[in-house]
Amino acid sequence: GAGVSQSPSNKVTEKGKDVELRCDPISGHTALYWYRQSLGQGLEFLIYFQGNSAPDKSGLPSDRFSAERTGGSVSTLTIQRTQQEDSAVYLCASSIRDGGSYEQYFGPGTRLTVT
Amino acid sequence: QQQVKQSPQSLIVQKGGISIINCAYENTAFDYFPWYQQFPGKGPALLIAIRPDVSEKKEGRFTISFNKSAKQFSLHIMDSQPGDSATYFCAASTRGSSNTGKLIFGQGTTLQVKP
Repeated sequence: GAGVSQSPSNKVTEKGKDVELRCDPISGHTALYWYRQSLGQGLEFLIYFQGNSAPDKSGLPSDRFSAERTGGSVSTLTIQRTQQEDSAVYLCASSIRDGGSYEQYFGPGTRLTVT
Repeated sequence: QQQVKQSPQSLIVQKGGISIINCAYENTAFDYFPWYQQFPGKGPALLIAIRPDVSEKKEGRFTISFNKSAKQFSLHIMDSQPGDSATYFCAASTRGSSNTGKLIFGQGTTLQVKP
């Protein structure tokens, strides 16, 4: 079946602009995660959604970052007033999280470059 | 305490040789330890995972060895092939419905397998 998809694959934006990154999880996966991959910080957790529960936002680096998940499926990560240090690959992963299954499957990522 | 330390940072192995990557953790609440393989421009792909109730898990040429008392685990790639050349990440998380299952990643190991 189809895997996790993300769009756009690449995004170049000017410092100070807002950007929206989209993630379509694997159908039937109730859990959705956003991670960020950068040279200096490696792979780091940003936010977690599970069903109708309140999201775990503990990994968001600043209040310029927000995310939502509509209808328990598609998720959007928004970065306001982008800064150069936001340049990274933003990865989305989904998981079933039922019946003891904890495997997370990643999308191809969105490479964000802030100029 | 949330860190996962991975070594070596880079590794060069001859075709047919054994590649060994090591990880260590501090948080004893971690109970799920996956390994991911990432090729340039792609998202991480789940390779193999282990839970702390077993000391070893083998899938094809890939084996995870787990030492609970030492809080260490390692990935062994037998008969390494040039197609195995990629970046490998170890990770750890805590299962259970009351936890997010967010992955804490090691810093990654770049493996090059020479023909």
